[in-house]
Amino acid sequence: EVQLVESGGGLVQPGGSLRLSCVASGFDFSNFEMNWVRQAPGKGLEWVSYISSVSGSKIYYADSVKGRFTISRDNAKNTLYLQMDSLRGEDTAIYYCARAMRYWGQGTLVTVSS
Amino acid sequence: QSALTQPASVSGSLGQSITISCTGTSSDIGGYNYVSWFQQHPGKAPKLIIYDVHTRPSGISDRFSGSKSGNTASLTISGIQAEDEADYYCNSYTSTNIVVVFGGGTKLTVL
Repeated sequence: EVQLVESGGGLVQPGGSLRLSCVASGFDFSNFEMNWVRQAPGKGLEWVSYISSVSGSKIYYADSVKGRFTISRDNAKNTLYLQMDSLRGEDTAIYYCARAMRYWGQGTLVTVSS
Repeated sequence: QSALTQPASVSGSLGQSITISCTGTSSDIGGYNYVSWFQQHPGKAPKLIIYDVHTRPSGISDRFSGSKSGNTASLTISGIQAEDEADYYCNSYTSTNIVVVFGGGTKLTVL
């Protein structure tokens, strides 16, 4: 069974940093592209970032996070990461990791507030 | 503002059919057959119900169907049931400098 479990969310002040993790199981993690998608409270879904399979050589970001967020993967640990720096109030959201948009984790809540 | 346009809400009576539209451009929906639809119940993660315009993942009811014409994709739910009441989102691959765009979401109310 495919499972994706996010962690690392929490309360952080504006300008602060957080690193989200997504541990994958039930499939060969290295062979699948991965995405981060977020959802602000009461709002719709917003794609955040993409990383290609295996080497992760192809990486893309939404304009809203470009230059502040960094996606990466550790295939040996079956883990996807999202390093979030210079956080803003508008980054407050539930962050989901998704395997090619087909399988989703349950999400982790990030709250940016002073 | 979302890149893909969906109606904010639709409603239908039990057993009726409803259609949700998702309008984009030739750079996304019109240019590729990579449209997906997601169902999201309150407090839950999104669930993929249609991909590649009209393909259902295993385990998804055949009451859900997808189609596309030009720059507009559509999700049809036939014989709607109480458990279909949820938010529905479309997304598409895009040739712009981002990979994926979502619609703003449509709330389905079952009367």
